[in-house]
Amino acid sequence: DADVTQTPRNRITKTGKRIMLECSQTKGHDRMYWYRQDPGLGLRLIYYSFDVKDINKGEISDGYSVSRQAQAKFSLSLESAIPNQTALYFCATSPGGAETQYFGPGTRLLVL
Amino acid sequence: GENVEQHPSTLSVQEGDSAVIKCTYSDSASNYFPWYKQELGKRPQLIIDIRSNVGEKKDQRIAVTLNKTAKHFSLHITETQPEDSAVYFCAGGTSYGKLTFGQGTILTVHP
Repeated sequence: DADVTQTPRNRITKTGKRIMLECSQTKGHDRMYWYRQDPGLGLRLIYYSFDVKDINKGEISDGYSVSRQAQAKFSLSLESAIPNQTALYFCATSPGGAETQYFGPGTRLLVL
Repeated sequence: GENVEQHPSTLSVQEGDSAVIKCTYSDSASNYFPWYKQELGKRPQLIIDIRSNVGEKKDQRIAVTLNKTAKHFSLHITETQPEDSAVYFCAGGTSYGKLTFGQGTILTVHP
């Protein structure tokens, strides 16, 4: 679904570095989400935003921060990356509550 | 908060057989239950969803059933094909829009 994009698609970084993952959408949705995917653990919610002025922690927010720069943009930052943050990260959007979430292509992050 | 448990973690079937994946949820306020399919190297995509005012929903070879009393819902795939091989995720959520996902089921359909 080209309407939700993520950059970069792959990233290798070192322990202690600060990195930012970016998500953009052209769907016009108010709601945006960041998930982390690890084998056997499903998709776990890191942060979510229901509009530009609304930011909420998910179940695994420690070590992460987010910024909702505009309706279309939602960025995820790792202030000081650590190896156990190595994972596949997905951004998603939805038009409202109890509605389909549309996922971006994912960012594969490796922290050495 | 909501907790969603999904079983089995892996499922192997022969082409043409049926496959069933089951999920349980904990929050009685949850009223929206989507299922997502994730092919290898791809993003999760919605395949079917059900809301709490409906007991069953079908779309061609796939169906979902919901038992609100027991707090469980299931995905049924009939006449499985090799292209059904993927990871399947169930999820539960409310009108607030936050979903909790199950751990995923790796479905393998053998030709």
